Amino acid sequence: EVHLVESGGGLVKPGGSLRLSCTASGFNFSSYTMTWVRQAPGKGLEWVSSIDHSSHYLYYVDSVRGRFTISRDSAKDSLYLQMDNLRVEDTAIYHCARVSIAVAVQSGLASWGPGTLVTVSS
Amino acid sequence: DIQMTQSPPSLSASVGDRVSITCRASQDIYNSVAWYQQKPGKAPTLLVEAASRLGPGVSSRFSGSGSGSHYTLTISSLQPEDSATFYCQQYYNSPFNFGQGTKLEIK
Repeated sequence: EVHLVESGGGLVKPGGSLRLSCTASGFNFSSYTMTWVRQAPGKGLEWVSSIDHSSHYLYYVDSVRGRFTISRDSAKDSLYLQMDNLRVEDTAIYHCARVSIAVAVQSGLASWGPGTLVTVSS
Repeated sequence: DIQMTQSPPSLSASVGDRVSITCRASQDIYNSVAWYQQKPGKAPTLLVEAASRLGPGVSSRFSGSGSGSHYTLTISSLQPEDSATFYCQQYYNSPFNFGQGTKLEIK
């Protein structure tokens, strides 16, 4: 069974940094594109960043490009999101998700973690 | 960037009804669209991808259709457990935007 669990969220001041982790199990992690999606309190889903299975293709939403860095470590079956220069508007639950099709650069997001809450506030 | 305009924002229907939710992309996305269901306090679950392919274990009461820039999620024979918010997402080009969501209430 596919299992994704995020960690690393918390309360941070504007301008601060956090590193989110997503630990994967139940599938061949190195074969799948992985994605971060966030949801601000009471708001809709926002795609944040994706990394393909080989780390060749990295994608970011404009609002985080230059501040967030996505990476993965297949030896640890883990996905990361380094978040620097955080803003109040980055406050959200951050979910990691796995695409449905192995090796595909993008497809539907078939498996999701429960999310980790990031709160940016002074 | 490709914008996804989802309608209606909210919907109220009765058990047994058939309802449809629409997403219009700002350009042709060549069937690269997925639909998700999200219940309060839970992560989303995949319903449909590639416009019409049901996700694993998804009830056949859900179906997706469309082409070009216009896509539809249809739920036939509504059940009480279908109460949720539904989102479309395009994955044709980055940024892989979601629609604004449709909140479905079962009367």
